[in-house]
Amino acid sequence: AQRVTQPEKLLSVFKGAPVELKCNYSYSGSPELFWYVQYSRQRLQLLLRHISRESIKGFTADLNKGETSFHLKKPFAQEEDSAMYYCALYRDSSYKLIFGSGTRLLVRP
Amino acid sequence: GAVVSQHPSWVICKSGTSVKIECRSLDFQATTMFWYRQFPKQSLMLMATSNEGSKATYEQGVEKDKFLINHASLTLSTLTVTSAHPEDSSFYICSAREGTGMAEAFFGQGTRLTVV
Repeated sequence: AQRVTQPEKLLSVFKGAPVELKCNYSYSGSPELFWYVQYSRQRLQLLLRHISRESIKGFTADLNKGETSFHLKKPFAQEEDSAMYYCALYRDSSYKLIFGSGTRLLVRP
Repeated sequence: GAVVSQHPSWVICKSGTSVKIECRSLDFQATTMFWYRQFPKQSLMLMATSNEGSKATYEQGVEKDKFLINHASLTLSTLTVTSAHPEDSSFYICSAREGTGMAEAFFGQGTRLTVV
């Protein structure tokens, strides 16, 4: 069955430190993966999707089919990056999203 | 990005009553809308998918008679929680997308329902 796993509930780093938010998936076929972000008191919004292969706000994510991972990385964390991050994938051709349980990133000054 | 608005942002209702939550796309036509439920510190769970003018498609385990979904226009979908009970208390989130399945879905701000 399709599944998205985010093993860390909370990740705390200091400003300027590198960040890696882990995401592993289970999917038969070619998955389409996303990272969504939810800042405090704001709605969920798309951060990036793997097919775009772009960097948003300094974040990148590479699909590793061998490890079935789509980890989100940023070389130097900023305080404004503090938020809830959700990894997600399309369940199937219906394009319905399956979300991981989320990781709260806390960037300390 | 496009804006999706939910109303109300929070609601408290008595057990046994029904409550309606609205989801509106403000600046685009939402061909498809999704309703999610989120328990504290847990992930978003898809409840149902609605297409304008069609009956909603419910996920396994979601009671269609309990959670009535109407998508009467391209800018409005409603979720009605009927005969609400305390276990229905949760955070309900809608999202909407325009056009093809791969189009980006935009999320509402969510509605916190508390049943007392």
